[in-house]
Amino acid sequence: AQSVTQLDSHVSVSEGTPVLLRCNYSSSYSPSLFWYVQHPNKGLQLLLKYTSAATLVKGINGFEAEFKKSETSFHLTKPSAHMSDAAEYFCVVSGGDGNKLVFGAGTILRVKS
Amino acid sequence: NAGVTQTPKFRILKIGQSMTLQCAQDMNHNYMYWYRQDPGMGLKLIYYSVGAGITDKGEVPNGYNVSRSTTEDFPLRLELAAPSQTSVYFCASSYWATNEKLFFGSGTQLSVL
Repeated sequence: AQSVTQLDSHVSVSEGTPVLLRCNYSSSYSPSLFWYVQHPNKGLQLLLKYTSAATLVKGINGFEAEFKKSETSFHLTKPSAHMSDAAEYFCVVSGGDGNKLVFGAGTILRVKS
Repeated sequence: NAGVTQTPKFRILKIGQSMTLQCAQDMNHNYMYWYRQDPGMGLKLIYYSVGAGITDKGEVPNGYNVSRSTTEDFPLRLELAAPSQTSVYFCASSYWATNEKLFFGSGTQLSVL
């Protein structure tokens, strides 16, 4: 069975500083991993996905994530936060039973001016 | 190309009432999903469909029903609404299995009082 743990429910950064959103996963299979973003009152949008190709995955809006099998982690980073990055971010794992994604509880990112 | 369209955006139900949440996609996607989102809990899969005429249960199907008579439409039926069904509901679709990018609707906020 797959599971995913987002280690922080809230993260607050100042505009222009780096962003780090942490995600650990558990999977009995070679997982596919995703980060989705949800802006207020909107549906979720895919930021990036890992599917066993390069371990460093680049996504939209300057975000990237690194798959570390030894640490079972898939942390999301961005070098410089922008006000428009304020949103909720979900780490998602898929594998094995391919029709069922497992979502983390979400991390709310606040960006201060 | 509207993507995934959900209606209504908001609804208040009384306990015991029934309603149907509508979902339509115009991308010719095979897979469609219904999720519910509760605060701090991430998204939980209610039902999914891999094509017209084929549906299956997700993690939390009790109290809900679905049908998929066409590729485009995937309505979610709530029978005998209960306060525990107060949530935000998201419909999503993908062309193939969930290792592909999911496209989400903008959600339906449902309150059962």
